[in-house]
Amino acid sequence: DQQVKQNSPSLSVQEGRISILNCDYTNSMFDYFLWYKKYPAEGPTFLISISSIKDKNEDGRFTVFLNKSAKHLSLHIVPSQPGDSAVYFCAASRAGGTSYGKLTFGQGTILTVHP
Amino acid sequence: KAGVTQTPRYLIKTRGQQVTLSCSPISGHRSVSWYQQTPGQGLQFLFEYFSETQRNKGNFPGRFSGRQFSNSRSEMNVSTLELGDSALYLCASSYTGSYNEQFFGPGTRLTVL
Repeated sequence: DQQVKQNSPSLSVQEGRISILNCDYTNSMFDYFLWYKKYPAEGPTFLISISSIKDKNEDGRFTVFLNKSAKHLSLHIVPSQPGDSAVYFCAASRAGGTSYGKLTFGQGTILTVHP
Repeated sequence: KAGVTQTPRYLIKTRGQQVTLSCSPISGHRSVSWYQQTPGQGLQFLFEYFSETQRNKGNFPGRFSGRQFSNSRSEMNVSTLELGDSALYLCASSYTGSYNEQFFGPGTRLTVL
């Protein structure tokens, strides 16, 4: 049962344009969401997070949008740069109890930014 | 501030052996989580430790175990290795384990022959 889904295995974008990565979740108990970037043979690098009490969070070129009614979040990267080429994972968590320290990850989207 | 460190980075073992992986969290972080990454299953949660106590465990067999020391460093152990245990093992640290970003180490690549 995949509770966090990234339905696009890959995305190709031209340098300078916007990259939009999407993520859907099924568990309505999730209340904290994160995006990570990962290069091969390295650990994931944290990019940005959003709490369920917000619908948008920005950090530089990265903006995350959360639509709770649709159980959907997206990561916008503007402008995209070749160095952004990596695998992007969305992750979700819920507070406390049996969820301590547990992130549930999507399968990842490979982003390629062409010069 | 130093990041999360994991040792060793690479490990080759044979079936039936056991292995211990080590993780040193970011200074001040008390929660350490472990994940297994494989091409087929993606990133899967193994367990989480906070103040030397396991608070949460994922859906893995009992061959996978861990512990945390008083300085928050953590180890995970896999006994009776199987071919399917070949994976990238990642640890991540955070302040409390809830509503915090987790910061990942570079991982240990385990190959079981």
